Amino acid sequence: IAGITQAPTSQILAAGRRMTLRCTQDMRHNAMYWYRQDLGLGLRLIHYSNTAGTTGKGEVPDGYSVSRANTDDFPLTLASAVPSQTSVYFCASSEGGGSRDTQYFGPGTRLTVL
Amino acid sequence: DQQVKQNSPSLSVQEGRISILNCDYTNSMFDYFLWYKKYPAEGPTFLISISSIKDKNEDGRFTVFLNKSAKHLSLHIVPSQPGDSAVYFCAAFISGSARQLTFGSGTQLTVLP
Repeated sequence: IAGITQAPTSQILAAGRRMTLRCTQDMRHNAMYWYRQDLGLGLRLIHYSNTAGTTGKGEVPDGYSVSRANTDDFPLTLASAVPSQTSVYFCASSEGGGSRDTQYFGPGTRLTVL
Repeated sequence: DQQVKQNSPSLSVQEGRISILNCDYTNSMFDYFLWYKKYPAEGPTFLISISSIKDKNEDGRFTVFLNKSAKHLSLHIVPSQPGDSAVYFCAAFISGSARQLTFGSGTQLTVLP
């Protein structure tokens, strides 16, 4: 079934550790995104990529990095995790053919930083 | 400061009745609005959208109304069904802005059988 997969489903991490959240899509979408969801704040954009080889900063990029080596994969890295990065992380993708294309979301990764 | 606000964290409605979810925005540059629905342990899924050149868009049981002068939009679900119970997120977009959606904080809708 086509769609977006994220791994891991959940993770408990000690503060200061490095962590990479994985995201893969098989829809050949050009654009991909990373959001975090926190209670009372909705979803906030961390980083995005309009096409393979390019990335951009969203609303809350600090403490996170991304790469887009190919069309399908868009990993999110926390170089040195802090408790404030405890959140649910969603990856999304869109065709990228126009500014109003629908974003399709993965199932999320629940991350707890202790 | 949140540019897209959903002031009701939760809403309960009886099955068969109308559900009305509200959303306000502050940025007049927003010209496209979307509603996403989210079930527990799943990612959000697109529900319905509306362009700022329209004031209403309908898709089956779901209708979105836009009042630009009031910077307000609402989602109507008629009739509500227990399967509609989910968190609903309003989102807004500025055309040409690298596709950055701004989301509201969500409203948990519970449809009671």
